Amino acid sequence: NAGVMQNPRHLVRRRGQEARLRCSPMKGHSHVYWYRQLPEEGLKFMVYLQKENIIDESGMPKERFSAEFPKEGPSILRIQQVVRGDSAAYFCASSPEQKGEKLFFGSGTQLSVL
Amino acid sequence: RKEVEQDPGPFNVPEGATVAFNCTYSNSASQSFFWYRQDCRKEPKLLMSVYSSGNEDGRFTAQLNRASQYISLLIRDSKLSDSATYLCVVSRTGFQKLVFGTGTRLLVSP
Repeated sequence: NAGVMQNPRHLVRRRGQEARLRCSPMKGHSHVYWYRQLPEEGLKFMVYLQKENIIDESGMPKERFSAEFPKEGPSILRIQQVVRGDSAAYFCASSPEQKGEKLFFGSGTQLSVL
Repeated sequence: RKEVEQDPGPFNVPEGATVAFNCTYSNSASQSFFWYRQDCRKEPKLLMSVYSSGNEDGRFTAQLNRASQYISLLIRDSKLSDSATYLCVVSRTGFQKLVFGTGTRLLVSP
């Protein structure tokens, strides 16, 4: 029973390029959450999705960032025209229900913007 | 002011020592409280939930004081493997939207 799978583990982009981060939730989980951890800071909530629906995107920057969780396939966090300040660890978590007992986190994607 | 405040440490303790961390939160509407552990920028892992009555899990004891809005974690008989960053986490909505502190770093030495 695989855990939450994120790929790539490390992603290097130059300023202005696009970054796509993927997250496959645990089997049977239909709720996905994205968090970002900037250097020397705590994890910050970005967005909460269910299949084909964005439930809460209050933590997403207003521009350049988008997220989706299609009916088939992984959840995608997309960052357009990346800037150096986007460099961070991006963690995905999943749960089987809205107020589940536990979130299961993936190993994260470390994004480095040159 | 951050919603969850923690002393960043590091706390340097010898093996076998008892160490305590505190955390304060500013949102009185917070309903759920947790301690997570994070190793070397890896994914955070749930250590334990925190209840008003206090709860214990082996060498770990967590306490919640709603009136003062602080949460504590006590680790007894520290092991080398306890070295990590301990994240204080609160939420108004269960696990749906967690608010993380920046963490307290613990270093346990032989």
